[in-house]
Amino acid sequence: GDSVTQTEGQVALSEEDFLTIHCNYSASGYPALFWYVQYPGEGPQFLFRASRDKEKGSSRGFEATYNKETTSFHLQKASVQESDSAVYYCALGDHTGYQNFYFGKGTSLTVIP
Amino acid sequence: EAAVTQSPRSKVAVTGGKVTLSCHQTNNHDYMYWYRQDTGHGLRLIHYSYVADSTEKGDIPDGYKASRPSQENFSLILELASLSQTAVYFCASRVQGATEVFFGKGTRLTVV
Repeated sequence: GDSVTQTEGQVALSEEDFLTIHCNYSASGYPALFWYVQYPGEGPQFLFRASRDKEKGSSRGFEATYNKETTSFHLQKASVQESDSAVYYCALGDHTGYQNFYFGKGTSLTVIP
Repeated sequence: EAAVTQSPRSKVAVTGGKVTLSCHQTNNHDYMYWYRQDTGHGLRLIHYSYVADSTEKGDIPDGYKASRPSQENFSLILELASLSQTAVYFCASRVQGATEVFFGKGTRLTVV
């Protein structure tokens, strides 16, 4: 079945550090890929998506590029801020019309001022 | 901005008791979802619905029922709550044809 793997469970960085959170997927067909962010006490919020190979999604300084060859959609940000501290989820929409969205286990980012 | 409201926001339930979690959305979205969030497991789909009076099983439906009596409302029912169902539950919705999913703030359920 379709699935998403996030390598890092927790990441701790200092302000202005470069961020990479790894996301790999397994799916039949051509899924859409997403990043969601969850702040404490809130539900996950849509960050951005990409729907085709080599497409770059971006929002709020975060970006990721759909790579069909390596089945990856890694999240990056050049310079993190304390306010970026949150849990980040990679997700994919299944190929049957996006009736289901498969989420990774999440990566908790802590940015130390 | 899409609004998804969950109630209650937290609940303590007794093992073997019945629990109903409610979700209301005001954006006339077609799809509604119930996810469960556990540390180390992320978000897992329990049930979903794409039209009123119809529900579908997700990846982990055992021990849960769902009800969608109207476009706006979607409930998750635990007929016999168990300790293993302690978790945070999220309701979500989206409009057909779009891929962005809007989540509620979650319900923290503790079964004792």
